[in-house]
Amino acid sequence: EPEVTQTPSHQVTQMGQEVILRCVPISNHLYFYWYRQILGQKVEFLVSFYNNEISEKSEIFDDQFSVERPDGSNFTLKIRSTKLEDSAMYFCASSEGQTETQYFGPGTRLLVL
Amino acid sequence: DAKTTQPPSMDCAEGRAANLPCNHSTISGNEYVYWYRQIHSQGPQYIIHGLKNNETNEMASLIITEDRKSSTLILPHATLRDTAVYYCIVRGTYGNKLVFGAGTILRVKS
Repeated sequence: EPEVTQTPSHQVTQMGQEVILRCVPISNHLYFYWYRQILGQKVEFLVSFYNNEISEKSEIFDDQFSVERPDGSNFTLKIRSTKLEDSAMYFCASSEGQTETQYFGPGTRLLVL
Repeated sequence: DAKTTQPPSMDCAEGRAANLPCNHSTISGNEYVYWYRQIHSQGPQYIIHGLKNNETNEMASLIITEDRKSSTLILPHATLRDTAVYYCIVRGTYGNKLVFGAGTILRVKS
């Protein structure tokens, strides 16, 4: 069964450093998403992406964040200058269509020191 | 998207049916009810969704009341591996994001 994959599974970084989180969505899916979950809190939507453009973003997704589909398979989330409060699990998801079911990857645990 | 209300936690005996309720009294006619679960800190796992008819798949059944103001997710024979947080999410036909609440912590006990 096709699945969303994410790398790395864990990332430790120093405050102020840039990080790139990578995702490989399900191959025939056209819509891509990033969510995050701070430890002990709810899963929060960050951004959705379609046709090489951001289609929706939350207030969390400020200028420090960016997304890119650099090739035909990868979907990345970049945090330019990490803060302590960026420590969280980051989940990538994809769906076939805008209103179709979203399938999530296993997540990347980001720890900012 | 309509707000949902779920009990914070439930227990279920292994092998018995787990019935997880969800209230969504402000649901609109074109909004779907989705269920996901999250085991430990893994990625949310899709379970099932429906609009107004009852649905069944290999994982679970979804019973939606006739007025669509509430629904119940049924795991017919719960196992220890079904221990997880279960999220009921109402989603419209436009807009991409899923809005997660706190969900219901289901503990399956032997």
